[in-house]
Amino acid sequence: GENVEQHPSTLSVQEGDSAVIKCTYSDSASNYFPWYKQELGKRPQLIIDIRSNVGEKKDQRIAVTLNKTAKHFSLHITETQPEDSAVYFCAAGGTSYGKLTFGQGTILTVHP
Amino acid sequence: NAGVTQTPKFQVLKTGQSMTLQCAQDMNHNSMYWYRQDPGMGLRLIYYSASEGTTDKGEVPNGYNVSRLNKREFSLRLESAAPSQTSVYFCASGGNSPLHFGNGTRLTVT
Repeated sequence: GENVEQHPSTLSVQEGDSAVIKCTYSDSASNYFPWYKQELGKRPQLIIDIRSNVGEKKDQRIAVTLNKTAKHFSLHITETQPEDSAVYFCAAGGTSYGKLTFGQGTILTVHP
Repeated sequence: NAGVTQTPKFQVLKTGQSMTLQCAQDMNHNSMYWYRQDPGMGLRLIYYSASEGTTDKGEVPNGYNVSRLNKREFSLRLESAAPSQTSVYFCASGGNSPLHFGNGTRLTVT
């Protein structure tokens, strides 16, 4: 089955800095790669996703890049703000949006 | 429009007890999913239902059963709870759209 590795497990940045979280996956058949943000005690919420026919996608301060050859994808957050502090999960899946394999999560802390 | 609703929010069970976690969605999604979340392990798929009338095992199905009661409802049953099933359980729906999660059920088995 699919295996997703996520790094780093914790990331601490100063407000205004950029943050990068990286994931690798094992199944070359995976073609859908979402990122979820989870605040303490809350449900995971989708922040951005990308399909394998696209190399990069951007939404305001958030961007995701995908390298299918190397089987890795990354989340980039620019101009970080304290409200970006949360746990971020990457995931990989096939034709179904929901049958996903998740990474272990990254605790992002943005210091004011 | 409530999205995905899970009940209960919290539950404490003794080893060997049974219980059913309820989930309902009002977004007309075909597919529904049950995930468990444990510290340092992300979310792991327990069971899913690609459409009404079908269910399939996910990554960690042992000790669980599911029922897709109709298009809206997908329940998860623990027949004989074990301490290893202490976790936060999330129901989600989607299929032809990105996954939308419920607020979770925090289950403790003593």
